[in-house]
Amino acid sequence: NAGVTQTPKFQVLKTGQSMTLQCAQDMNHEYMSWYRQDPGMGLRLIHYSVGAGITDQGEVPNGYNVSRSTTEDFPLRLLSAAPSQTSVYFCASSYMNTEAFFGQGTRLTVV
Amino acid sequence: GNSVTQMEGPVTLSEEAFLTINCTYTATGYPSLFWYVQYPGEGLQLLLKATKADDKGSNKGFEATYRKETTSFHLEKGSVQVSDSAVYFCAPFSGGYNKLIFGAGTRLAVHP
Repeated sequence: NAGVTQTPKFQVLKTGQSMTLQCAQDMNHEYMSWYRQDPGMGLRLIHYSVGAGITDQGEVPNGYNVSRSTTEDFPLRLLSAAPSQTSVYFCASSYMNTEAFFGQGTRLTVV
Repeated sequence: GNSVTQMEGPVTLSEEAFLTINCTYTATGYPSLFWYVQYPGEGLQLLLKATKADDKGSNKGFEATYRKETTSFHLEKGSVQVSDSAVYFCAPFSGGYNKLIFGAGTRLAVHP
């Protein structure tokens, strides 16, 4: 089973560039979310979705956009990358009131 | 808002030692509680969970009990192995919609 698949695994961007981090799940989960992991700060929620067409902001949404056109996919867009967005990004999915399944992460460096 | 406080690491133990990683939280109501583990270079994996007060979650020799009186969910293992070396995260649900609140994580290093 593929579970939650994130691409790419590594990415280097220049300041001001845009890119999309891809996330796909094959478990028919209605809930999907994006977190960023920074040293000493655990994981912080960026955006989340409770179903196709429905998204909302998490704790640290500035500089990121999301959309959810299908149940399977939940891409995260960086509109104009900044060094402060250097981080490891994790996508997660779940059914309601159950544990989340995480992807392997995308390590992003903005120079 | 909801928050989680985890024992600061790193925690360094010898193989077969007893492990405790403390976790306390603030939350509205009685949310489901989770421990996740992150091995080097990997994503997070669910280690164990508890969905109501006094529940004990267990997996791979690890245990944690949902204590609503003390709002705690401490992780324990009686005899750690080198392969348990990882970062451990305590995470309750927060505010509905399956949103998780993570502690800072506790790095465990187990030496032979």
